[in-house]
Order: sequence, then C-alpha cells, then structure tokens
Amino acid sequence: DSGVTQTPKHLITATGQRVTLRCSPRSGDLSVYWYQQSLDQGLQFLIQYYNGEERAKGNILERFSAQQFPDLHSELNLSSLELGDSALYFCASSPIGGAYTFGSGTRLTVV
Amino acid sequence: DQQVKQNSPSLSVQEGRISILNCDYTNSMFDYFLWYKKYPAEGPTFLISISSIKDKNEDGRFTVFLNKSAKHLSLHIVPSQPGDSAVYFCAASMNTGNQFYFGTGTSLTVIP
Repeated sequence: DSGVTQTPKHLITATGQRVTLRCSPRSGDLSVYWYQQSLDQGLQFLIQYYNGEERAKGNILERFSAQQFPDLHSELNLSSLELGDSALYFCASSPIGGAYTFGSGTRLTVV
Repeated sequence: DQQVKQNSPSLSVQEGRISILNCDYTNSMFDYFLWYKKYPAEGPTFLISISSIKDKNEDGRFTVFLNKSAKHLSLHIVPSQPGDSAVYFCAASMNTGNQFYFGTGTSLTVIP
C-alpha cells in the first residue's frame, strides 16, 4: 500500500457519460497530480493541485476537470466520454520538491 | 512535445547480466531526475533519484548515471533478476516547478 488511494479501481461506462475518479493523497502530502496512461503511451500529465489550488496544467481536455478539497482529497471529472478516453488514470501525491507516490490507478473503459 | 524520451520501448536481458536503460531529455532546466518501476495493474513505484549536482547515485543493485552535457541519464541494474521485469519510466523536473515530465517507458524482461 503506497498510501495514495484511488477509487474505483475499474470503471466501465458508455460514450457520452460522465464519471468521477477519486484520489486520497498520502498523509502530509499537499500536492496531488493526475496522469493518464493510454495503451502504449507514457504517463501524460493532466493537472496538479497544491493545497486546494490549481498549480499546473498539462494536456487536459476541456471535457475534463479536477479539484482538490479542503481535506486534500482530489477528484477528476471526465465528461462527454469518448472511446479514446479509455485509459489508466493515475493519481500521485508528493511533499514539496519530493518524489511522487502513485496510487494503483483507475482503469476506465468507455464502450 | 516530449521533453523526456526513452527511445527503447523494450529490452531483454539474461538473469545475472547488466540491464542498462536509457533516457534523454531536451530541457536544460531539468535538475532532478527519477526512475520509476511499474508492474502490470499497479501504479509506478519510486526506484531511485539523482540531482543535477551529482553524476552518479547508487542504491544496491541500482545505479543511475547523469550526463548533463549530453542531457542523458541511464539506469544500470546489476545483476538483473527475473523480478526486475517491469516497465521503467524516467522522469525529470525543474526543482522550482515540482512537476515531473515522464518518458514513455521501457519494458524490461529478465530471462531466467
């Protein structure tokens, strides 16, 4: 157990639907990151939050949004889902300037 | 724009031999580098790091080398073991930004 908890582990949904992925960071870590890993692709950075505020944005689609709550857990919202959104979504947390600790990921399948 | 590149998608090595995984980067502002290991159905796990003030960092069987002038780092695993079979990602950051840029990964297979 890495200390970073992601739920659900698996999600199957239809095109056009909306889903919410949840992440609880490791205790004490203020930064949360979301990454997408599609088939044969590396880890693509989506977005970073630090202590509730958006810190950096990567290749995140407009259909996707995220937030970090006062208790530091984070949610990634994916809407108007397309087949190409099927991927592994990882959350990671870190202390300031430190290495990331990743969760085990949510596997999203859009059918 | 892929700022961190791992040009070898896969690598096979005999058990007991050395595994060398390579990583190149384009941004000269990167000054902190990590290697992660990922097994199927699991999240990446931190393996070893190196700061730009060093050119080598060693942890047991794992050694990371950094060549700043060539913008190149490599991970050496000696001796390789079957349990090392996994996908290895390198990642780089600018210390102030704290955002890590990841390579596309190299799948290592260690043959018993």
